Amino acid sequence: KAGVTQTPRYLIKTRGQQVTLSCSPISGHRSVSWYQQTPGQGLQFLFEYFSETQRNKGNFPGRFSGRQFSNSRSEMNVSTLELGDSALYLCASSLVGGLDTQYFGPGTRLTVL
Amino acid sequence: DQQVKQNSPSLSVQEGRISILNCDYTNSMFDYFLWYKKYPAEGPTFLISISSIKDKNEDGRFTVFLNKSAKHLSLHIVPSQPGDSAVYFCAADVYGQNFVFGPGTRLSVLP
Repeated sequence: KAGVTQTPRYLIKTRGQQVTLSCSPISGHRSVSWYQQTPGQGLQFLFEYFSETQRNKGNFPGRFSGRQFSNSRSEMNVSTLELGDSALYLCASSLVGGLDTQYFGPGTRLTVL
Repeated sequence: DQQVKQNSPSLSVQEGRISILNCDYTNSMFDYFLWYKKYPAEGPTFLISISSIKDKNEDGRFTVFLNKSAKHLSLHIVPSQPGDSAVYFCAADVYGQNFVFGPGTRLSVLP
């Protein structure tokens, strides 16, 4: 069974630009969550999508948004990038949700210059 | 303000000895706690969990202890092996709606 895939793996952008990250969950998984990992803050929950609807949301500004398609693939968008947005963005999928049943992808490393 | 804290950014332990990773939390509403392990260039993998109605959960070499009054949990690895070298994240959950992770502790198990 293929794991969670994220594209691209690495990305370099400049301040003010916007970026879209993609996540393909494990086949059959309907829940997709996004996390931001930075050295000082660790893993921070961004949002969770289930059956194309945002089910939970963390404490991030509105510049961070996401969506989920009917095939459960998900995209995350960050607009007006700031230097502090440089981080590893991780996507995790599970059948119906729940932290202990999540499978994480390898992440997308975003660098904002 | 971090709701889940892991105050030791790193820990080194000799192979065969016990590794103890600590985690403190501030939100008394957390009802479920988890530990994840992360290797470089890979996503975190779930390790072990504990519900707030328990104070201990064991799975092989891994044991998690929860002290609700102190808002403290710990992960014990016995015996430690070089393959355990990774970053360990503590996470807490409120009815599956508020996922909060700690900043992580890097464990190095020395041969």
